[in-house]
Amino acid sequence: DIQMTQSPSTLSASVGDRVTITCRASQSISSWLAWYQQKPGKAPKLLIYKASSLESGVPSRFSGSGSGTEFTLTISSLQPDDFATYYCQQYNSYFLTFGGGTKVEIK
Amino acid sequence: QVQLVESGGGVVQPGGSLRLSCAASGFTFSSYGMHWVRQAPGKGLEWVAFIRYDGSNKYYADSVKGRFTISRDNSKNTLYLQMNSLRAEDTAVYYCAKDYPVAGTGGDYFDYWGQGTLVTVSS
Repeated sequence: DIQMTQSPSTLSASVGDRVTITCRASQSISSWLAWYQQKPGKAPKLLIYKASSLESGVPSRFSGSGSGTEFTLTISSLQPDDFATYYCQQYNSYFLTFGGGTKVEIK
Repeated sequence: QVQLVESGGGVVQPGGSLRLSCAASGFTFSSYGMHWVRQAPGKGLEWVAFIRYDGSNKYYADSVKGRFTISRDNSKNTLYLQMNSLRAEDTAVYYCAKDYPVAGTGGDYFDYWGQGTLVTVSS
């Protein structure tokens, strides 16, 4: 199976900060990567697919980049609603795998 | 709008069985693959199983292969997960998720999720 490693596992930031989360794949997955946001007690929500395509309705302050084995999710100006946990997910193969998650906390 | 509503969770003893259901609405259920994804308390997301739109292909995570069975009834717009030989490590919130089919790759991503149902395996 393809292993996905996210860093950092926890991130403390303030409203207005630029935030970057990294996701690394154990082998090349081309651009077959999605990002999700999850708030406590809620289901995950799709933010980004194909590494850099923004899902409809998602604010433009979210962006994704990367290909191959290294990917990033960037929030250009952190808003109060963005404090949550973020997961990457590869879909290069039928056996789908997620990163361990990055919790974005209030500094 | 797309709605996915899971049910069937509860407390079960180790070695026991449970069947989860996911009622779908707001889209043509019979045209889309479906997944189960779980999340142990305080932990990350783990993909569990996938079934094609017509039920012709099914895939499972190694951790549940041989114990769990995914199925669907397109006439009832319902997805199922039969869980047998349950273990303490199967304790989790189980989400059903709609597949977004992607051409050119083996897997897909999830564009809609249900609210989840909690399964607790404990004596």
